[in-house]
Amino acid sequence: QSVLTQPPSVSAAPGQKVTISCSGSSSNIGNNYVSWYQQLPGTAPKLLIYDNNKRPSGIPDRFSGSKSGTSATLGITGLQTGDEADYYCGTWDSSRSAGVFGGGTKLTVL
Amino acid sequence: EVQLVESGGGLVQPGGSLRLSCTASGFTFRSYEMNWVRQAPGKGLEWISYIDSSGNTIYYADSVRGRFTISRDNAKNSLYLQMNSLRAEDTAVYYCTRTTADYDFDIWGQGTMVTVSS
Repeated sequence: QSVLTQPPSVSAAPGQKVTISCSGSSSNIGNNYVSWYQQLPGTAPKLLIYDNNKRPSGIPDRFSGSKSGTSATLGITGLQTGDEADYYCGTWDSSRSAGVFGGGTKLTVL
Repeated sequence: EVQLVESGGGLVQPGGSLRLSCTASGFTFRSYEMNWVRQAPGKGLEWISYIDSSGNTIYYADSVRGRFTISRDNAKNSLYLQMNSLRAEDTAVYYCTRTTADYDFDIWGQGTMVTVSS
């Protein structure tokens, strides 16, 4: 049981938009920055979004992040088959003094 | 190129020990906080330990506290994870990650596989 809650899977057609939610509590998302990670099959995770809504260099603006209260959302527009991956939200939990992740969401581009 | 390279994984019997290493290059290692994150086969990411840049502040997940020890040698640009009393449920790919001040894991190694089995 992950501290952060994500849907197990989402799907959409190429070119469409998808959102992935991440729900937590005041001790984690509510009081800390949220980051999102993309894990392509057979590879290490990669930072996709940091500080709730910032993109590292090289990440296209098709990827966006937002946070409201104790929830965060990853948005992906103009879906491509290469976006098929597992996506994880993550943050720090101040009451646990621990890093926490969501259980991951598998994106399928139909 | 900014890079993290893990080593030291392998097959170990239940109750055994293993020491993982992570060598950093391309950035000023001594200035960054570091973490270990693991991923069991077919499962999600699990954070397991944090160490600040000086090695003075350390945190562990409940699942490994008392069995695992994180450490670093800034002179050698290296991060370590000493794993004792290993259990089958510790079987996973172990990643070292660089951490920003806002606890974003911005750089990941390629991972090293640890298998605990008799």
